[in-house]
Amino acid sequence: GAGVSQTPSNKVTEKGKYVELRCDPISGHTALYWYRQSLGQGPEFLIYFQGTGAADDSGLPNDRFFAVRPEGSVSTLKIQRTERGDSAVYLCASSLNGDGGNYGYTFGSGTRLTVV
Amino acid sequence: LAKTTQPISMDSYEGQEVNITCSHNNIATNDYITWYQQFPSQGPRFIIQGYKTKVTNEVASLFIPADRKSSTLSLPRVSLSDTAVYYCLVVPTGTASKLTFGTGTRLQVTL
Repeated sequence: GAGVSQTPSNKVTEKGKYVELRCDPISGHTALYWYRQSLGQGPEFLIYFQGTGAADDSGLPNDRFFAVRPEGSVSTLKIQRTERGDSAVYLCASSLNGDGGNYGYTFGSGTRLTVV
Repeated sequence: LAKTTQPISMDSYEGQEVNITCSHNNIATNDYITWYQQFPSQGPRFIIQGYKTKVTNEVASLFIPADRKSSTLSLPRVSLSDTAVYYCLVVPTGTASKLTFGTGTRLQVTL
Protein backbone atom coordinates (compact mmCIF):
# COMPACT_ATOMS: atom_id res chain seq x y z
CA GLY A 1 0.00 0.00 0.00
CA ALA A 2 0.88 3.64 -0.18
CA GLY A 3 1.38 4.01 3.53
CA VAL A 4 1.46 2.09 6.79
CA SER A 5 -2.02 0.89 7.65
CA GLN A 6 -3.11 0.13 11.21
CA THR A 7 -6.34 -1.48 12.27
CA PRO A 8 -8.49 -0.89 14.14
CA SER A 9 -8.09 2.86 14.51
CA ASN A 10 -9.82 2.69 17.89
CA LYS A 11 -10.28 -0.17 20.29
CA VAL A 12 -12.11 -0.16 23.60
CA THR A 13 -11.74 -3.25 25.74
CA GLU A 14 -12.47 -4.31 29.26
CA LYS A 15 -9.75 -4.84 31.80
CA GLY A 16 -8.47 -8.39 31.66
CA LYS A 17 -9.39 -8.99 28.02
CA TYR A 18 -7.07 -9.94 25.16
CA VAL A 19 -6.53 -7.62 22.20
CA GLU A 20 -4.78 -7.79 18.86
CA LEU A 21 -3.59 -4.77 16.93
CA ARG A 22 -2.66 -5.09 13.28
CA CYS A 23 -0.05 -3.31 11.19
CA ASP A 24 0.29 -3.51 7.42
CA PRO A 25 3.61 -1.91 6.43
CA ILE A 26 4.63 -0.36 3.15
CA SER A 27 5.17 -3.06 0.56
CA GLY A 28 8.81 -4.05 0.38
CA HIS A 29 9.82 -2.57 3.71
CA THR A 30 11.76 -5.19 5.59
CA ALA A 31 11.92 -3.38 8.92
CA LEU A 32 8.85 -2.92 11.12
CA TYR A 33 8.59 -1.20 14.49
CA TRP A 34 5.96 -0.92 17.19
CA TYR A 35 5.79 2.10 19.48
CA ARG A 36 3.44 3.16 22.23
CA GLN A 37 2.52 6.79 22.88
CA SER A 38 0.85 8.10 26.00
CA LEU A 39 -0.82 11.48 26.13
CA GLY A 40 1.69 14.33 26.06
CA GLN A 41 4.65 12.03 25.59
CA GLY A 42 6.78 11.04 22.64
CA PRO A 43 6.48 7.56 21.17
CA GLU A 44 8.15 4.83 23.21
CA PHE A 45 9.84 1.91 21.44
CA LEU A 46 8.38 -1.55 21.97
CA ILE A 47 9.77 -3.98 19.39
CA TYR A 48 11.55 -4.11 16.05
CA PHE A 49 11.32 -6.76 13.32
CA GLN A 50 13.76 -7.30 10.49
CA GLY A 51 11.93 -9.66 8.19
CA THR A 52 10.10 -12.30 10.20
CA GLY A 53 12.27 -12.21 13.28
CA ALA A 54 12.17 -9.88 16.25
CA ALA A 55 15.58 -8.23 16.15
CA ASP A 56 15.00 -6.16 19.28
CA ASP A 57 12.17 -6.67 21.76
CA SER A 58 13.79 -4.79 24.60
CA GLY A 59 10.95 -2.25 24.80
CA LEU A 60 8.16 -4.70 25.56
CA PRO A 61 7.08 -3.79 29.10
CA ASN A 62 6.27 -7.29 30.31
CA ASP A 63 5.28 -10.76 29.17
CA ARG A 64 1.69 -9.72 28.53
CA PHE A 65 2.90 -8.08 25.35
CA PHE A 66 3.86 -10.12 22.32
CA ALA A 67 4.21 -9.39 18.62
CA VAL A 68 4.54 -11.54 15.52
CA ARG A 69 5.33 -11.04 11.88
CA PRO A 70 5.05 -14.55 10.43
CA GLU A 71 5.52 -13.78 6.74
CA GLY A 72 7.71 -10.72 7.00
CA SER A 73 4.93 -8.32 6.09
CA VAL A 74 1.86 -7.81 8.32
CA SER A 75 2.52 -7.71 12.04
CA THR A 76 0.21 -8.22 14.98
CA LEU A 77 0.78 -6.82 18.45
CA LYS A 78 -0.94 -8.93 21.07
CA ILE A 79 -1.73 -7.83 24.59
CA GLN A 80 -3.00 -10.34 27.14
CA ARG A 81 -4.90 -9.56 30.34
CA THR A 82 -5.12 -5.88 29.49
CA GLU A 83 -4.75 -3.32 32.25
CA ARG A 84 -5.95 0.28 32.39
CA GLY A 85 -2.31 1.38 32.19
CA ASP A 86 -2.09 -0.16 28.73
CA SER A 87 -4.34 2.58 27.41
CA ALA A 88 -2.34 4.51 24.81
CA VAL A 89 -1.91 4.99 21.08
CA TYR A 90 0.01 2.12 19.55
CA LEU A 91 2.00 3.19 16.51
CA CYS A 92 3.56 1.06 13.83
CA ALA A 93 6.36 2.19 11.53
CA SER A 94 8.23 0.62 8.68
CA SER A 95 11.41 1.41 6.79
CA LEU A 96 13.05 0.07 3.70
CA ASN A 97 15.93 -1.69 5.35
CA GLY A 98 15.96 -0.67 8.98
CA ASP A 99 18.42 2.15 8.50
CA GLY A 100 16.22 4.95 9.67
CA GLY A 101 19.10 7.34 9.62
CA ASN A 102 19.19 7.50 5.85
CA TYR A 103 15.60 7.14 4.83
CA GLY A 104 13.47 7.86 7.83
CA TYR A 105 10.63 5.77 9.06
CA THR A 106 7.03 5.90 7.87
CA PHE A 107 4.51 5.73 10.66
CA GLY A 108 0.89 4.70 10.58
CA SER A 109 -1.84 6.73 12.26
CA GLY A 110 -1.94 4.36 15.18
CA THR A 111 -4.51 2.40 17.11
CA ARG A 112 -5.98 4.15 20.14
CA LEU A 113 -6.46 1.51 22.80
CA THR A 114 -8.68 2.28 25.76
CA VAL A 115 -8.95 -0.23 28.58
CA VAL A 116 -11.96 0.35 30.81
CA LEU B 1 22.00 6.85 22.46
CA ALA B 2 22.58 10.59 22.57
CA LYS B 3 19.95 12.42 24.57
CA THR B 4 18.31 15.48 23.09
CA THR B 5 16.94 18.58 24.77
CA GLN B 6 14.49 20.96 23.13
CA PRO B 7 11.96 23.54 24.33
CA ILE B 8 8.66 22.13 25.50
CA SER B 9 6.59 24.64 23.58
CA MET B 10 6.76 27.62 21.24
CA ASP B 11 4.22 30.09 19.91
CA SER B 12 4.31 31.91 16.61
CA TYR B 13 2.15 34.04 14.38
CA GLU B 14 1.31 32.96 10.90
CA GLY B 15 3.87 34.13 8.33
CA GLN B 16 6.80 34.24 10.73
CA GLU B 17 9.93 32.15 10.59
CA VAL B 18 10.22 29.66 13.45
CA ASN B 19 13.49 28.26 14.71
CA ILE B 20 13.52 25.32 17.09
CA THR B 21 16.87 24.51 18.63
CA CYS B 22 17.83 21.10 19.94
CA SER B 23 20.91 20.25 21.97
CA HIS B 24 22.61 16.87 21.72
CA ASN B 25 25.91 17.21 23.55
CA ASN B 26 26.81 13.53 23.42
CA ILE B 27 26.27 12.99 19.72
CA ALA B 28 28.51 10.29 18.22
CA THR B 29 30.48 10.40 14.99
CA ASN B 30 28.11 8.13 13.11
CA ASP B 31 24.92 9.83 14.33
CA TYR B 32 22.62 11.80 12.10
CA ILE B 33 20.23 14.48 13.35
CA THR B 34 16.66 13.82 12.32
CA TRP B 35 13.46 15.78 12.85
CA TYR B 36 9.93 14.45 12.87
CA GLN B 37 6.62 16.32 12.88
CA GLN B 38 3.47 14.97 14.50
CA PHE B 39 -0.07 16.23 14.07
CA PRO B 40 -2.87 15.20 16.45
CA SER B 41 -4.22 11.72 15.77
CA GLN B 42 -1.40 10.93 13.37
CA GLY B 43 1.92 9.19 13.62
CA PRO B 44 5.18 11.17 13.39
CA ARG B 45 6.29 12.19 9.94
CA PHE B 46 9.95 12.42 8.87
CA ILE B 47 10.69 15.96 7.71
CA ILE B 48 14.44 16.46 7.50
CA GLN B 49 17.79 14.96 8.36
CA GLY B 50 21.38 16.15 8.34
CA TYR B 51 24.90 15.38 9.44
CA LYS B 52 26.59 18.79 9.40
CA THR B 53 26.29 22.32 7.98
CA LYS B 54 22.96 23.05 6.33
CA VAL B 55 20.28 20.94 4.73
CA THR B 56 17.20 22.34 3.01
CA ASN B 57 14.16 20.69 1.54
CA GLU B 58 10.68 21.82 0.55
CA VAL B 59 9.49 21.74 4.14
CA ALA B 60 12.30 23.07 6.31
CA SER B 61 15.98 23.86 6.76
CA LEU B 62 18.29 22.25 9.25
CA PHE B 63 21.34 24.08 10.55
CA ILE B 64 24.10 22.12 12.28
CA PRO B 65 27.23 23.85 13.62
CA ALA B 66 30.68 22.36 13.25
CA ASP B 67 30.73 20.79 16.72
CA ARG B 68 27.33 19.13 16.03
CA LYS B 69 26.31 19.51 19.66
CA SER B 70 23.14 21.31 18.64
CA SER B 71 20.92 21.78 15.64
CA THR B 72 18.22 24.23 14.60
CA LEU B 73 15.13 23.38 12.63
CA SER B 74 13.92 26.39 10.67
CA LEU B 75 10.39 26.62 9.34
CA PRO B 76 9.96 29.55 6.94
CA ARG B 77 6.74 31.54 6.98
CA VAL B 78 4.69 29.17 9.12
CA SER B 79 0.98 28.72 8.60
CA LEU B 80 -1.74 27.46 10.91
CA SER B 81 -1.23 24.00 9.47
CA ASP B 82 2.30 23.88 10.89
CA THR B 83 0.85 23.62 14.38
CA ALA B 84 2.24 20.30 15.56
CA VAL B 85 4.78 18.65 17.83
CA TYR B 86 8.33 18.60 16.48
CA TYR B 87 10.77 15.94 17.65
CA CYS B 88 14.55 16.13 17.38
CA LEU B 89 16.27 12.75 17.31
CA VAL B 90 19.82 11.52 17.00
CA VAL B 91 19.95 8.36 14.93
CA PRO B 92 22.93 6.10 14.30
CA THR B 93 23.31 5.25 10.65
CA GLY B 94 24.58 2.16 8.94
CA THR B 95 22.80 -0.11 11.37
CA ALA B 96 19.22 -0.91 12.06
CA SER B 97 18.18 1.18 15.01
CA LYS B 98 15.18 2.15 17.04
CA LEU B 99 14.20 5.78 17.37
CA THR B 100 14.30 7.37 20.80
CA PHE B 101 11.80 10.20 21.10
CA GLY B 102 11.76 12.85 23.76
CA THR B 103 8.67 14.91 24.56
CA GLY B 104 9.22 17.19 21.56
CA THR B 105 8.41 20.86 21.03
CA ARG B 106 4.76 21.78 20.75
CA LEU B 107 4.49 24.59 18.19
CA GLN B 108 1.30 26.63 18.21
CA VAL B 109 0.74 28.94 15.24
CA THR B 110 -1.97 31.57 15.46
CA LEU B 111 -3.29 34.35 13.25
